[in-house]
Amino acid sequence: AQKVTQAQTEISVVEKEDVTLDCVYETRDTTYYLFWYKQPPSGELVFLIRRNSFDEQNEISGRYSWNFQKSTSSFNFTITASQVVDSAVYFCALKRGANSKLTFGKGITLSVRP
Amino acid sequence: GAGVSQSPSNKVTEKGKDVELRCDPISGHTALYWYRQSLGQGLEFLIYFQGNSAPDKSGLPSDRFSAERTGGSVSTLTIQRTQQEDSAVYLCASSSGQGGTGELFFGEGSRLTVL
Repeated sequence: AQKVTQAQTEISVVEKEDVTLDCVYETRDTTYYLFWYKQPPSGELVFLIRRNSFDEQNEISGRYSWNFQKSTSSFNFTITASQVVDSAVYFCALKRGANSKLTFGKGITLSVRP
Repeated sequence: GAGVSQSPSNKVTEKGKDVELRCDPISGHTALYWYRQSLGQGLEFLIYFQGNSAPDKSGLPSDRFSAERTGGSVSTLTIQRTQQEDSAVYLCASSSGQGGTGELFFGEGSRLTVL
């Protein structure tokens, strides 16, 4: 079975603060894929990142960075210098491998106050 | 169009009626997914199609729910004898890559309200 746990349900920060969204996953597979999606108030799901299990390099994209650690089965997402436009629900997701479904965590609601 | 297209965008129906929701994936994408998102909730997996393989129906909540994918392209999700608890946004997504391991592109969803 595969499972994604996003223990934080709601986070509220003031603009320009850094914030980390946690994601812990469970799978018995050696090949798997991890994703983060953003769902702003408009409702449309926006792809942020995809990482395969063989690539543990951390990634930075502008103010966004991701820390993938297989030893702790975690794939955390950090927003540096948060902005009001970052307010959204963020979902972490796991795909076991080819020809399998994508399992989402329950999501974290991030509110960034001016 | 370039993205995943879903119709109708909004559907209001009476309890007990059947509804059909349509998804037109991105051309060439081999994988197609249906998810359900109730108000303020996460994404609940319903069904997954990958190429010519048998679909993964493990997420369908009851036998009132069914889905087809014709010709490896358009998919229809059918809900029979709708109940109020079926009210939700139904999201369709498609992906490419080997075995559909690429990123999922989501449609804007079909909002279903059962009165």
